Amino acid sequence: GDSVTQMEGPVTLSEEAFLTINCTYTATGYPSLFWYVQYPGEGLQLLLKATKADDKGSNKGFEATYRKETTSFHLEKGSVQVSDSAVYFCALSETGSARQLTFGSGTQLTVLP
Amino acid sequence: GAVVSQHPSRVICKSGTSVKIECRSLDFQATTMFWYRQFPKKSLMLMATSNEGSKATYEQGVEKDKFLINHASLTLSTLTVTSAHPEDSSFYICSARYSGSRVEQFFGPGTRLTVL
Repeated sequence: GDSVTQMEGPVTLSEEAFLTINCTYTATGYPSLFWYVQYPGEGLQLLLKATKADDKGSNKGFEATYRKETTSFHLEKGSVQVSDSAVYFCALSETGSARQLTFGSGTQLTVLP
Repeated sequence: GAVVSQHPSRVICKSGTSVKIECRSLDFQATTMFWYRQFPKKSLMLMATSNEGSKATYEQGVEKDKFLINHASLTLSTLTVTSAHPEDSSFYICSARYSGSRVEQFFGPGTRLTVL
């Protein structure tokens, strides 16, 4: 079945540091890939997505590129801010399926001033 | 656009009582809604998928008589935790998909349930 493996946290960085959160997946078909962010006490918000190989999703300075050859979708940001402190979830959904998202385990990011 | 709300945001109840959580799509018609449960510092676990007007499909290990799901309209789904016990305490999150979206789900803000 489908699965998502995400870099374990927690991750603690200083403000303006470079961020990478690794995400790899296994899927039988051609999934769409997502990064969601969850701020404390809140639900999930879509951060970015990519629907086919070599697509780059980007939003709020975050980027992730759909790499089919390495089955990866790593999240990056060049300069993090304190306000980026949250839990980040990598997820996939099989294209054409009415099915659910498959989530990674989440990575807690804390950015210190 | 694509806003999903949940009510209540927090609820505390006594053991043995039932609690209803509402999930509404505010500006679109949700043909499919999903209910997730999130344990502290853990990922989301899908509980069930509901399509408007039909019975919910529950994931393995989720008791359908314990977690009653109703998707009576294209903008409302409810989750009722029946005879709640302390182990049911959790963060419950719903999401919704509209018919034109093949993959994207829109998430509600979640409901924190505490059973005393």
